[in-house]
Amino acid sequence: QKEVEQDPGPLSVPEGAIVSLNCTYSNSAFQYFMWYRQYSRKGPELLMYTYSSGNKEDGRFTAQVDKSSKYISLFIRDSQPSDSATYLCAMSASGAAGNKLTFGGGTRVLVKP
Amino acid sequence: KAGVTQTPRYLIKTRGQQVTLSCSPISGHRSVSWYQQTPGQGLQFLFEYFSETQRNKGNFPGRFSGRQFSNSRSEMNVSTLELGDSALYLCASSAASGSLLYFGPGTRLTVT
Repeated sequence: QKEVEQDPGPLSVPEGAIVSLNCTYSNSAFQYFMWYRQYSRKGPELLMYTYSSGNKEDGRFTAQVDKSSKYISLFIRDSQPSDSATYLCAMSASGAAGNKLTFGGGTRVLVKP
Repeated sequence: KAGVTQTPRYLIKTRGQQVTLSCSPISGHRSVSWYQQTPGQGLQFLFEYFSETQRNKGNFPGRFSGRQFSNSRSEMNVSTLELGDSALYLCASSAASGSLLYFGPGTRLTVT
C-alpha cells in the first residue's frame, strides 16, 4: 500500500462546478501538506500549502487538512476550462526531512465548457 | 524573477549509455532537489542538495548521482541507462532545505 493514496480520475465536471479532490495518507509524521497543479508536458506548479490541520483559502481554492483522519482535500470553486490539469497532493514530515516530499499519484481533472 | 530552468528539455539515449541533466534554481535559492516522474510510480524523490552537500537521498540505485556547484546550479547523472529509466526528471528549488518547492519544466528522457 502506498503512503499517499489519490484517486487517479479522470474527474469530469461542467464549467462553473465545484471540483473536489482528496488524498489519504498513512504516515502520521506528515505535517506539511501541499497541492500542485500539473499541465501536460509541464512541471508541477505549487497551488496551496498548509501546515498541520485546518483550512486555508486562496481565491477560488480551499485546502483542508484533517490529521485525525489522515485526509486532505482541495476544493476549486467556479471551475474554468483552464483548470483542466492533473492535481497532485504532496506531503512531508518535519523540517529535518528537507525537501523529500511524498506525492500522491495525481487526479486528472477535466472541466468542460 | 526567473523560474527554475532545466536543460536539455528532451533527450534520447541508448541502453547502457550515461546521461547528465542540468538544473539552474531560482535566483537566491540554495536548495535543489531532483524527482523522477513515471506513469507507473508517479513522482519519486531522488535526492536533495543544499550548499553543495547532499542532504537527503531517495531509494534509487547508485547509478543515479548528483552534485551541486557553488552557484547552486545542480547536475544529475545516470550511468548505465536502462529502459526503465525513461521518465520525466524534475528539478525543484527552494530558498532553504524544508522550504516550499518550485519545480522546473523537467527533462524528458527516453531510453531505447
